[in-house]
Amino acid sequence: DIQMTQSPSTLSASVGDRVTITCRASQSISSWLAWYQQKPGKAPNLLIYKASSLESGVPSRFSGSGSGTEFTLTISSLQPDDFATYYCQQYNSYPWTFGQGTKVEIK
Amino acid sequence: EVQLLESGGGLAQPGGSLRLSCAASEFTFGGYAISWVRQAPGKGLEWVSGISGSGGAIYYADSVKGRFTISRDNSKNTLYLQMNSLRAEDTAVYYCAKGSKGSGSYYFDYWGQGTLVTVSS
Repeated sequence: DIQMTQSPSTLSASVGDRVTITCRASQSISSWLAWYQQKPGKAPNLLIYKASSLESGVPSRFSGSGSGTEFTLTISSLQPDDFATYYCQQYNSYPWTFGQGTKVEIK
Repeated sequence: EVQLLESGGGLAQPGGSLRLSCAASEFTFGGYAISWVRQAPGKGLEWVSGISGSGGAIYYADSVKGRFTISRDNSKNTLYLQMNSLRAEDTAVYYCAKGSKGSGSYYFDYWGQGTLVTVSS
């Protein structure tokens, strides 16, 4: 199975900050990576697919990059609505696997 | 707007069974793969099982293989998960998640609101 490791697990930041979350795969997954945002008590919401493609309706302050085994999700200017938990997910090969999540907290 | 509505969750005893359903609407159901993803209380996301749009390709996580069975009825726009031999560690919110395509490598572009399964005596 492909292991997905996110860092950091928790991130404290202020409104307006630039935030970067890293996701590493245990083997190459090409660009078959998605990023999701989840708020407490809610279902996950797709932000980025194919490593760097922005899902329709997602604010442009979100961006993704990377390929192979190392990927990043960047929020260019953190907004109050962005405090949530973020997950990466590989869909290169079964079983699909998620990172353990990164919680973005208010500093 | 795509809608996915899960049902069938509840309390089950260890060793017991439950059947989850996911009713889909506002998209061509048979054209897309769909999966079950679960989240234990306070934990992260775990993919459980997936099925292709035609139903011809089925996959399971090792943690549920041999105990859970995924199926779909494209005439009823409904996905199912039959869960047998339930264990305490199966306690979680179960989401159905629509794939971005019918088969192959797909991400999840829509999710249901989830249904809670609690396994306890």
